[in-house]
Amino acid sequence: DVKVTQSSRYLVKRTGEKVFLECVQDMDHENMFWYRQDPGLGLRLIYFSYDVKMKEKGDIPEGYSVSREKKERFSLILESASTNQTSMYLCASEPIPGQGVSSTDTQYFGPGTRLTVL
Amino acid sequence: AQSVTQPDIHITVSEGASLELRCNYSYGATPYLFWYVQSPGQGLQLLLKYFSGDTLVQGIKGFEAEFKRSQSSFNLRKPSVHWSDAAEYFCAVGARGFQKLVFGTGTRLLVSP
Repeated sequence: DVKVTQSSRYLVKRTGEKVFLECVQDMDHENMFWYRQDPGLGLRLIYFSYDVKMKEKGDIPEGYSVSREKKERFSLILESASTNQTSMYLCASEPIPGQGVSSTDTQYFGPGTRLTVL
Repeated sequence: AQSVTQPDIHITVSEGASLELRCNYSYGATPYLFWYVQSPGQGLQLLLKYFSGDTLVQGIKGFEAEFKRSQSSFNLRKPSVHWSDAAEYFCAVGARGFQKLVFGTGTRLLVSP
């Protein structure tokens, strides 16, 4: 069974703190993603990675950075957390079309991390 | 630019009644279309997807969706709703490789007894 895990379900941080959100997938997927989810705005892509050490900006990268040192792990970093980064953060992974454990070409999501910045 | 519109923020349906959730998209190329469901406190789970071929797609949990190119729509349907279907539903559009999926803002389904 496919699995995407996120290091924390709930996190509370203070303004100015450096925050690390970790995501691990066990499906040997090439592509990994970080989204934030806000009421009325749906999911918005922050960053994605299509290989180790490779990354590309999504639609709202400002205030965030990412790290992918190993294929299975994709980290989202808030260098200096601000209150407007209070949100639900979702990680996802997907296989490259044509490969894949179950031939289902889709993004598999983790359970999310609800981050509150005070 | 790609976009997805889910015009209904909330929908309330009686248990046992039929359901239709609307999704309209704007996409420059042949779209790959998805419906996801998010139960409270959970991540997103894929319900169904459309890549090509038969425009009526069957998914999990008794859901189906119909792709209508002329209307740029991909509406989700279920003939009889169960209380456990109460959740938020997201429509998404993407390209081959599915990088940068564009999501709609979601529709929250409430199921009344």
